[in-house]
Amino acid sequence: DQQVKQNSPSLSVQEGRISILNCDYTNSMFDYFLWYKKYPAEGPTFLISISSIKDKNEDGRFTVFLNKSAKHLSLHIVPSQPGDSAVYFCAATPNSNSGYALNFGKGTSLLVTP
Amino acid sequence: DGGITQSPKYLFRKEGQNVTLSCEQNLNHDAMYWYRQDPGQGLRLIYYSQIVNDFQKGDIAEGYSVSREKKESFPLTVTSAQKNPTAFYLCASSNRGGSGANVLTFGAGSRLTVL
Repeated sequence: DQQVKQNSPSLSVQEGRISILNCDYTNSMFDYFLWYKKYPAEGPTFLISISSIKDKNEDGRFTVFLNKSAKHLSLHIVPSQPGDSAVYFCAATPNSNSGYALNFGKGTSLLVTP
Repeated sequence: DGGITQSPKYLFRKEGQNVTLSCEQNLNHDAMYWYRQDPGQGLRLIYYSQIVNDFQKGDIAEGYSVSREKKESFPLTVTSAQKNPTAFYLCASSNRGGSGANVLTFGAGSRLTVL
């Protein structure tokens, strides 16, 4: 059963505007949440993470918000740039066992148009 | 430059053949992972290894095998028992445990196509 869900397969945003990518999870044992960006035929690259004890983490144009009671997190990209066009994966991991392997969502394809 | 090298980048296999995908890292990471990506399916965990000579099955291990004889290397064999092996395979590594998020570093991937 999918423990990390990204319910929007795609998103289109104009350059300069805000992109908001959403992610829901079901496992309350998840301790850390991560966002990865992926271009076609390449490996994912790490963007930003957040601990379950925080509700916001910011890094330049990227901000991740966590609503633990709703089991929901979102990635905000402001301002969006054409180079941000890629597939974004939400991932989560419990802080013990499972070898710390990440559970990934199915991804959201972001298209930033000029 | 430190990183993860996967080879080959593209591989074609006939049905019934085993094939081994290579993954080498020079990041001195303890843990290594294999994921599979299919269209619309995200990344699914096949196997992972926290230390040398130890590995664990992930969510979709059937039809795959791995070994971890060296810290730097974690090859994946796709056997003929894997029913639908055509996919994009991603290897990753990380420094396991400790504080903070377990950030995985990924290789560029290997595209396997079964003819």
